[in-house]
Amino acid sequence: ELKVEQNPLFLSMQEGKNYTIYCNYSTTSDRLYWYRQDPGKSLESLFVLLSNGAVKQEGRLMASLDTKARLSTLHITAAVHDLSATYFCAVDKYGGSQGNLIFGKGTKLSVKP
Amino acid sequence: GAGVSQTPSNKVTEKGKYVELRCDPISGHTALYWYRQSLGQGPEFLIYFQGTGAADDSGLPNDRFFAVRPEGSVSTLKIQRTERGDSAVYLCASSPVREETQYFGPGTRLLVL
Repeated sequence: ELKVEQNPLFLSMQEGKNYTIYCNYSTTSDRLYWYRQDPGKSLESLFVLLSNGAVKQEGRLMASLDTKARLSTLHITAAVHDLSATYFCAVDKYGGSQGNLIFGKGTKLSVKP
Repeated sequence: GAGVSQTPSNKVTEKGKYVELRCDPISGHTALYWYRQSLGQGPEFLIYFQGTGAADDSGLPNDRFFAVRPEGSVSTLKIQRTERGDSAVYLCASSPVREETQYFGPGTRLLVL
């Protein structure tokens, strides 16, 4: 059974600090997805990582993928309050691009002044 | 442009009743997905349509759950003999051909009393 594990599940950090969220998965896959969810809202796509070594950056967030280690990281640089949300990583159930995504439990990020 | 829409936004029903949840995907998107999200969890895959046909329904929990997409656009998720454990937010997502990103709707919050 495919498992997607994120850690930490809860993260409280101060504005201006850096931190990394980790996403491990248990099957071979050459792509990984990151989503953001604000309380009571739906999911917003952040990054789609399509190959080993892929790195994408948007603002203060940078995501990378190591398919050999089955690991993706989401790095937060100089956090601001607006980044407070829950972040999910997801992997295709069949390791390709079928679209049946298996999500981690999410990392709830709280950025405090 | 218009995003994925879902109706109703909230649905309260009694145990044993039948419910229908509707999803209007983004115009032109051929792929449509249903997920279920329980409180504090990541979305759980239910079913995936490519056009009118269900390409993968392996996530449907049992035969009380059924989904259709008769004209390749709007989809309806149907739940018979609802149980309290069916209470969750039901999310719909769509994506166009040859694009990896899934665009999520706002969800239908189902509460079974």
